[in-house]
Amino acid sequence: TQLLEQSPQFLSIQEGENLTVYCNSSSVFSSLQWYRQEPGEGPVLLVTVVTGGEVKKLKRLTFQFGDARKDSSLHITAAQPGDTGLYLCAGWDTGNQFYFGTGTSLTVIP
Amino acid sequence: EPEVTQTPSHQVTQMGQEVILRCVPISNHLYFYWYRQILGQKVEFLVSFYNNEISEKSEIFDDQFSVERPDGSNFTLKIRSTKLEDSAMYFCASSPTTYIQYFGAGTRLSVL
Repeated sequence: TQLLEQSPQFLSIQEGENLTVYCNSSSVFSSLQWYRQEPGEGPVLLVTVVTGGEVKKLKRLTFQFGDARKDSSLHITAAQPGDTGLYLCAGWDTGNQFYFGTGTSLTVIP
Repeated sequence: EPEVTQTPSHQVTQMGQEVILRCVPISNHLYFYWYRQILGQKVEFLVSFYNNEISEKSEIFDDQFSVERPDGSNFTLKIRSTKLEDSAMYFCASSPTTYIQYFGAGTRLSVL
C-alpha cells in the first residue's frame, strides 16, 4: 500500500516557469518533510511542516501542509536548472511509522 | 556544518556473508534511523533507534537485520546472511527530534 502518492511523477519544464508538486495520502500525518535527492546521494532535508494549514517559504520554494494534515504541496517559482532533482515528501503517520513518497523527478531545461 | 557520515561508500559481498554498515550520526542527535533504496525504487524505512533500543521497525527489518550503537558515536546496521535482494543503497539518518532527519550520503551494498 502506497501511503504517500506524489504527482506528477516526472516533470520537465523550461527555466523561469513555475511548478507545483503534490503529495497526497488518505492517512493523517503528524508531520511532513520535503527532501531533494541527487543520484547516488542521500535525501537532503528542505523543510518540515507540522501544523495543519502551515505555509513555509524557502527562497523560491513554498511548502504547504493541508488543513487535515493528509496532503502537502511544494511550489517552485521561476525554476532554475539548479532545481533539477528528485523531490520526495515523507512523514510520520499517527501510528508512528515513517514513509517516503513515490517521488517527483524534476528537470529544468535552460 | 555537521553531517551524518557513512562508511564504506560501496560494499561488495558474497551472498550468505555478513556485512556491517557504519554510520556516525550528528553528535548531539538522539534519534537514529536506517533506510534502504533499491535501485529505481523509493526509499524505505527500516528501523529507528532511540535511547539504546529499537523504537520502530518495518516489516523489512526481519531477524537477518540488527542495529547497534557500540559506542557514543557509531550506529551500525548488520545484515547476518546477505541475499541478492539486499543489494541497495542504505541510508543512515539522525535527528535531534522526531520531526527532522538528516541523511548520510549512503552505502551502496552489492551482493554477488
